Amino acid sequence: KAGVTQTPRYLIKTRGQQVTLSCSPISGHRSVSWYQQTPGQGLQFLFEYFSETQRNKGNFPGRFSGRQFSNSRSEMNVSTLELGDSALYLCASSPEAGGGGAFFGQGTRLTVV
Amino acid sequence: AQSVTQLGSHVSVSEGALVLLRCNYSSSVPPYLFWYVQYPNQGLQLLLKYTSAATLVKGINGFEAEFKKSETSFHLTKPSAHMSDAAEYFCAVSEGNRGSTLGRLYFGRGTQLTVWP
Repeated sequence: KAGVTQTPRYLIKTRGQQVTLSCSPISGHRSVSWYQQTPGQGLQFLFEYFSETQRNKGNFPGRFSGRQFSNSRSEMNVSTLELGDSALYLCASSPEAGGGGAFFGQGTRLTVV
Repeated sequence: AQSVTQLGSHVSVSEGALVLLRCNYSSSVPPYLFWYVQYPNQGLQLLLKYTSAATLVKGINGFEAEFKKSETSFHLTKPSAHMSDAAEYFCAVSEGNRGSTLGRLYFGRGTQLTVWP
């Protein structure tokens, strides 16, 4: 079974631009979550989607948004990029029952210059 | 609100020695608990999970963890360290969305494990 696939792996953007990251979950998983990882703040929850609906949202500004498609694939968008948005963005998929755990992709390393 | 505390941001052991990585959590309801490992420039790999079944949980690569409700702990152990175990380890907790989705994971700050030859 293929794992969680995130594209692209690496991205360099300029301040003020916007960026879209993509995530394909494990086949059969309908729940997708996004996390931001930085050396200073650690792993922080962005949002969780299930059946195209946002179920939970973390404490991030409105510049961070996401969506999920009918095939469970998800995208997250960051508008008006700031230097502090430089981070590893991780996507995770989960089976429908919560205790199954979250399975993470390799991440997208975003650098804002 | 939930939180996770990992005692010791860095742990060093010799190859063949016991590995003990500590994790304490706070949760208002019976939690789901997880340990993840992260190698450089990689995502997180699930090592093991506790979901209210057996309190001693066995995971991959010889790791195990014991859920102790009275101590609100979920420490990770491995009897004999291997060089390939050198990585960063994260403890995480979730209350789940009452039987449906996993919900938000709360992570500790991580423990960097170094294994000396």
